[in-house]
Amino acid sequence: GIQVEQSPPDLILQEGANSTLRCNFSDSVNNLQWFHQNPWGQLINLFYIPSGTKQNGRLSATTVATERYSLLYISSSQTTDSGVYFCAVGPGANSKLTFGKGITLSVRP
Amino acid sequence: GAGVSQTPSNKVTEKGKYVELRCDPISGHTALYWYRQSLGQGPEFLIYFQGTGAADDSGLPNDRFFAVRPEGSVSTLKIQRTERGDSAVYLCASSLRGWPNEQFFGPGTRLTVL
Repeated sequence: GIQVEQSPPDLILQEGANSTLRCNFSDSVNNLQWFHQNPWGQLINLFYIPSGTKQNGRLSATTVATERYSLLYISSSQTTDSGVYFCAVGPGANSKLTFGKGITLSVRP
Repeated sequence: GAGVSQTPSNKVTEKGKYVELRCDPISGHTALYWYRQSLGQGPEFLIYFQGTGAADDSGLPNDRFFAVRPEGSVSTLKIQRTERGDSAVYLCASSLRGWPNEQFFGPGTRLTVL
């Protein structure tokens, strides 16, 4: 099956700093999603981005499908950005998602 | 509109008991997925429904686990003879059929087997 690797595993930032989270995957995909899991365990959809670039406020994401990686950018980080960020990929329409192990982000005031 | 809902939010049971976990998908979403998340790990796929039928059940760990979706909407995940290793958060997701196939997750059911 598809392998998903996320890096770095842990990240500590000072409030206001910028960061880049990386997701590498081992095979071609038709679904790639970034999630933020809040302290209560809810998975919040950040981006649906099997290819290309999207931006939403302070967050943006880029997926280079031909090179099998995706990047999530967080600018001007806030303490509320803390939590675990997951990348998940799927090979086709309505197929299962395979998740990475997640990146734990801590933003300090 | 309403998101994916799951009940109960927490379930504590004893080893060997039977449990049912319920998922109510987003209205209009014909695809429904179950995942399981253990502490410190990413969610792992269990089963996927398209309509009433299980299109992919390759993630079910053994025959103690079973899921149904009789009317193509609400789904129930059933676990027989629970074991302590079944303790985890069980997540449900739904999506439209075809494209875009973005999955939306419910809040999960935290299952604890004593």
